[in-house]
Amino acid sequence: GNSVTQMEGPVTLSEEAFLTINCTYTATGYPSLFWYVQYPGEGLQLLLKATKADDKGSNKGFEATYRKETTSFHLEKGSVQVSDSAVYFCALTSRTGGGNKLTFGTGTQLKVEL
Amino acid sequence: DVKVTQSSRYLVKRTGEKVFLECVQDMDHENMFWYRQDPGLGLRLIYFSYDVKMKEKGDIPEGYSVSREKKERFSLILESASTNQTSMYLCASSSSDNTGSYNEQFFGPGTRLTVL
Repeated sequence: GNSVTQMEGPVTLSEEAFLTINCTYTATGYPSLFWYVQYPGEGLQLLLKATKADDKGSNKGFEATYRKETTSFHLEKGSVQVSDSAVYFCALTSRTGGGNKLTFGTGTQLKVEL
Repeated sequence: DVKVTQSSRYLVKRTGEKVFLECVQDMDHENMFWYRQDPGLGLRLIYFSYDVKMKEKGDIPEGYSVSREKKERFSLILESASTNQTSMYLCASSSSDNTGSYNEQFFGPGTRLTVL
């Protein structure tokens, strides 16, 4: 079946540090890949996505590249801010029945300190 | 902006009670989803629906049922709540493209259910 593996958190960084959150996946066919973010007390919102190999998704300074050869979709940001503190979920689509559903990783909590 | 609303942010129920969680979306989306979120387990799909009166089981449907009588509303029902159903419940919706694939899912704020 399909699965997503993320690095465990919490990840604690100082403001302006470089961020990497690792994500690897197992899937049949050609999945689309997503990063969702959940700020405290809120639901999830889409951060970025990539729909085919070598695509790079980017948003709000975050980037992730769809690497088919290593089955990875690592999230990076060059300089984090306190406001980036949240839980980050890697996910992929899996075609089933009449459409796709999302398979999520377990989430990685990021804490950014001054 | 897409808006997905859930009827309660916090809910406390007793073991054996029947519990209804309501979700409404305002963007005419075909697809709606119910997840539960637990620490260390991420989000797990309970049920989803791709059309009115249609439903499909997700990964963990046991102990739950759903209802979709109108396109904008998707209800999650716990027929007899148990303590192991204490969790955060998230609703989501999405449209479909012309190949039948789902587009981005939009999430509600969640309902934190405690079963005593």
